[in-house]
Parts: sequence; C-alpha cells; structure tokens
Amino acid sequence: AQSVTQLGSHVSVSEGALVLLRCNYSSSVPPYLFWYVQYPNQGLQLLLKYTTGATLVKGINGFEAEFKKSETSFHLTKPSAHMSDAAEYFCAVSGSGNTPLVFGKGTRLSVIA
Amino acid sequence: DAGVIQSPRHEVTEMGQEVTLRCKPISGHNSLFWYRQTMMRGLELLIYFNNNVPIDDSGMPEDRFSAKMPNASFSTLKIQPSEPRDSAVYFCASTEADRSYNEQFFGPGTRLTVL
Repeated sequence: AQSVTQLGSHVSVSEGALVLLRCNYSSSVPPYLFWYVQYPNQGLQLLLKYTTGATLVKGINGFEAEFKKSETSFHLTKPSAHMSDAAEYFCAVSGSGNTPLVFGKGTRLSVIA
Repeated sequence: DAGVIQSPRHEVTEMGQEVTLRCKPISGHNSLFWYRQTMMRGLELLIYFNNNVPIDDSGMPEDRFSAKMPNASFSTLKIQPSEPRDSAVYFCASTEADRSYNEQFFGPGTRLTVL
C-alpha cells in the first residue's frame, strides 16, 4: 500500500523568495514519485518525476525535487518564486506495474508581491 | 498533438437528472482513470481501466455512478440520478500502462453543478 502526506495545505511566500513544498511518502516497493501543478480551472500538469537514477530531479518552470529514501521524502523547491507560480501542487506516488497514482491532498501556493 | 479531451467542460443540472461525462484519451494510451475533485475530499480515484477493461471501481461512491469504456478512444462516466452532493470537478486521465512508471496525463475536467 502507498500513501502521500503533504505538509501544509497552504503555503505563502513573497515574490523572489524560496519555495519549499513538503511531501513524504509511504511505499512497500521502490516508489515512482511525481509532482503535479494545477492552475485555477485547469487540469493537473506534470511538473517533474522521479523514476530511477539521479535523485535530484529538475522539472519545468525552474522547479526541482530531491528523492531522499532515508527520509521517505520528495520535497519540491524553487529558488525564487514568481507570481505565476501561484497554484495548487500535488505530490503523487506509484509502485511498479499498472497501479494508479496515489495523490496527496495538495498544497496551495500563494505568492505575495 | 491533442491531449485528453473531456466534454462538456461545464454541466449544470437539476437533482434527479441523468448526467453523462465523456472522455477521449490520448491516442495510444491504454489506461484510463476517472477522478473527482472536491474541496472537502481532494482528488479521489473513482475507477480505472486497462485495455478497456475496468480494473478497480472501489472508488465509485455508489450505484448511481457507472463508467464504461466501449473502445480505446472513448469513455463515459454516468450519474443517474444526480444529487447535489455530486457537484465536483471530474477529471479523466490516461497513460501507457505498459511503461514501468505511469505518468498520467489529465484532461481539463468537467465542472458539474447539481442544483
């Protein structure tokens, strides 16, 4: 069984500040990990994913995440927030095979000018 | 390259009416997922199909909900009769089931309002 916990349902940062969105997972098999972003009135869009190999993963729009097995974490970061980053962010985990993604409850990011 | 297509984008109906939501997955994808998103419950998996066959429908809330996938390029989610608590955004997603990891591609969603 797999699960995802996103710490903080709402995060607010100033424009230009560091963005850190936290995600911890539980998985009985080596996980595949994903971050999705949802802009208002839109579907979910893949930001980045970890499958195997390098544990630091770079995605679109300057975001990156690091897979830390010892901490069962996959936190999302961006060095400098932009107003356009305001959205809902979802962390998700999947095992091997055709198992569906298990999503966290999401973190709403607000960026203050 | 068209993504996942959902119709209608918005649906307003009255309690007791039948509602049908439609989804066209990305060509070549053989897994399809239906999700429901609400403020209270977040993103919930309702049902998913592999190669047009329903694999897990344990997320379907009750018998009023049904889903079909008659072919690889079309799926429907039906609610009959609809109730106000069914108001939500319904997403369809698709992926290639044969890959070792299943990155899902989401449609824009159907916003359902049941009065």
